[in-house]
Amino acid sequence: QKEVEQDPGPLSVPEGAIVSLNCTYSNSAFQYFMWYRQYSRKGPELLMYTYSSGNKEDGRFTAQVDKSSKYISLFIRDSQPSDSATYLCAMYILGSQGNLIFGKGTKLSVKP
Amino acid sequence: GAGVSQSPSNKVTEKGKDVELRCDPISGHTALYWYRQSLGQGLEFLIYFQGNSAPDKSGLPSDRFSAERTGGSVSTLTIQRTQQEDSAVYLCASSLALGGTSGGQQFFGPGTRLTVL
Repeated sequence: QKEVEQDPGPLSVPEGAIVSLNCTYSNSAFQYFMWYRQYSRKGPELLMYTYSSGNKEDGRFTAQVDKSSKYISLFIRDSQPSDSATYLCAMYILGSQGNLIFGKGTKLSVKP
Repeated sequence: GAGVSQSPSNKVTEKGKDVELRCDPISGHTALYWYRQSLGQGLEFLIYFQGNSAPDKSGLPSDRFSAERTGGSVSTLTIQRTQQEDSAVYLCASSLALGGTSGGQQFFGPGTRLTVL
């Protein structure tokens, strides 16, 4: 079992839809959870950074962490064609050497 | 600079040649990381630097890979005697510090796309 599992998609939704992206993980030592957005042929861009269980909201984006279930989610409200990208979840152990453990990414397409 | 920069953006080389990839982190960021992104494999951690020091090289795929950082700033990743399986996008990231809450907030460059023929 990989440490971080993420459905690669592709996921196609109409403009304005609510998008739900998810990752599960097996290592209970993970303490920090990130979501990155990666456009084609670009580097990953940090979108959300969370520590504790619960929700964190930033504009149209909400990150949710459930440590008891080892499950994290990213919700995108009122999705736009410009949200079309690959979304990567990443996790990190405080005190580790700092390497992030990534999911393989979910490719999202928002159709106008 | 405003963000992490990497050069070259694309590199095509012949099998057996050496290549050098460069990373310029965000000014003031003491921690620097190299990752590799292959199709279907996701992002694979290679090595990190705290200042100019890389204490753990175990993530490097083989002894053909080496990395250095000078002046606490620019880093180079060198691949000797390149093989076709080295073809990937090599990404560099930096963070304010290593470990702690800032260690998880890594900012990535655009990557170098390496193709070994």
